[in-house]
Amino acid sequence: DQQVKQNSPSLSVQEGRISILNCDYTNSMFDYFLWYKKYPAEGPTFLISISSIKDKNEDGRFTVFLNKSAKHLSLHIVPSQPGDSAVYFCAASASGTYKYIFGTGTRLKVLA
Amino acid sequence: KAGVTQTPRYLIKTRGQQVTLSCSPISGHRSVSWYQQTPGQGLQFLFEYFSETQRNKGNFPGRFSGRQFSNSRSEMNVSTLELGDSALYLCASSLDGTSVFRPYFGPGTRLTVT
Repeated sequence: DQQVKQNSPSLSVQEGRISILNCDYTNSMFDYFLWYKKYPAEGPTFLISISSIKDKNEDGRFTVFLNKSAKHLSLHIVPSQPGDSAVYFCAASASGTYKYIFGTGTRLKVLA
Repeated sequence: KAGVTQTPRYLIKTRGQQVTLSCSPISGHRSVSWYQQTPGQGLQFLFEYFSETQRNKGNFPGRFSGRQFSNSRSEMNVSTLELGDSALYLCASSLDGTSVFRPYFGPGTRLTVT
């Protein structure tokens, strides 16, 4: 049972435009969420996080939105840059479990 | 501060063999987690250790095991390798793995089973 889903395997966006990556989850016990970026042959790199007590968190070009009632979060990248081309994973954790459940990733391609 | 290091980076083994992968966490981090990444499957949680104690384990067969040493370094072992064990194995460390924690990942060990 896939508790965290990223239904878009890939996304292409023009440089300078907004990239929106989506993630859905089913477990209402999840209370902390992360986004990671991954380049080939490297480990995932942390991008941004959000706690379930918030509905938005910003860090530079990256903003994460959380809709708890819909069990949905999204990552907005504005403006998108060619260097943002990578695979993006969302991950969710429930307090006291000491683990994250990851989505299957979305491959973002930013076209110059 | 040095990041998470994993050794070896690449490994080729034959079915039926066993393998041990090593992970050194970021200095000061006491929680170490292991994940398996296969194409199309995202990252699957294997186990998490804190102060030499396993606090959680994922849904993997008993052939997968791990341990953590007093200096927080960790190893994972896979016995009786199967072709399906071919994957990228990622180690991540965090300060204490409490509810609000952010794992820092190493570069991974690419295991190929032939």
